[in-house]
Amino acid sequence: GAVVSQHPSRVICKSGTSVKIECRSLDFQATTMFWYRQFPKQSLMLMATSNEGSKATYEQGVEKDKFLINHASLTLSTLTVTSAHPEDSSFYICSAQTPSGTPDTQYFGPGTRLTVL
Amino acid sequence: QKEVEQDPGPLSVPEGAIVSLNCTYSNSAFQYFMWYRQYSRKGPELLMYTYSSGNKEDGRFTAQVDKSSKYISLFIRDSQPSDSATYLCAMRAGAGANNLFFGTGTRLTVIP
Repeated sequence: GAVVSQHPSRVICKSGTSVKIECRSLDFQATTMFWYRQFPKQSLMLMATSNEGSKATYEQGVEKDKFLINHASLTLSTLTVTSAHPEDSSFYICSAQTPSGTPDTQYFGPGTRLTVL
Repeated sequence: QKEVEQDPGPLSVPEGAIVSLNCTYSNSAFQYFMWYRQYSRKGPELLMYTYSSGNKEDGRFTAQVDKSSKYISLFIRDSQPSDSATYLCAMRAGAGANNLFFGTGTRLTVIP
């Protein structure tokens, strides 16, 4: 199957700093990429949907100025958590989808665990 | 009410047992029903998906969807220790809808 990578896999930062997470589709072009957040013992929750070359669409309750998403190419999307605070500590997972749009063409990355001290 | 409800477990079974995992949902617009397996510190991996109601079988795995009851199931036959993982159900509406709604996941341990 297709491979989606995320970098870094784990990051620890101080409160108030910004953190950038990269999501790459390694062997296919992803027209759409998604960013999810998973708190302990909770569901994965969609944060935003991004299409290459256009602005991301954010889910209700997700601050677009705090979670900056850039989808610069068909293989790369970045999520920047600006001015991170301890409540932003979570597991962030991206997924990438090919143009066909069926469920078996949405591939998930391994996730990034963010800890804000 | 959550869109998707899933018992988080944990669930422990002996090797060889039949495992039944379930989810309920509230949104009648859901048409695609997925089961993902997630190992610790990894992203979800799609096991199988079903469109609308019915059954789907893939090796030791069988997915069932009952849209009238808004209830889906995943059965694992002859469970193996390597099946130990967290299993997440997910759903989405039809064509053009990309947003997946996930259950919390059920943690399964298969004991040798």
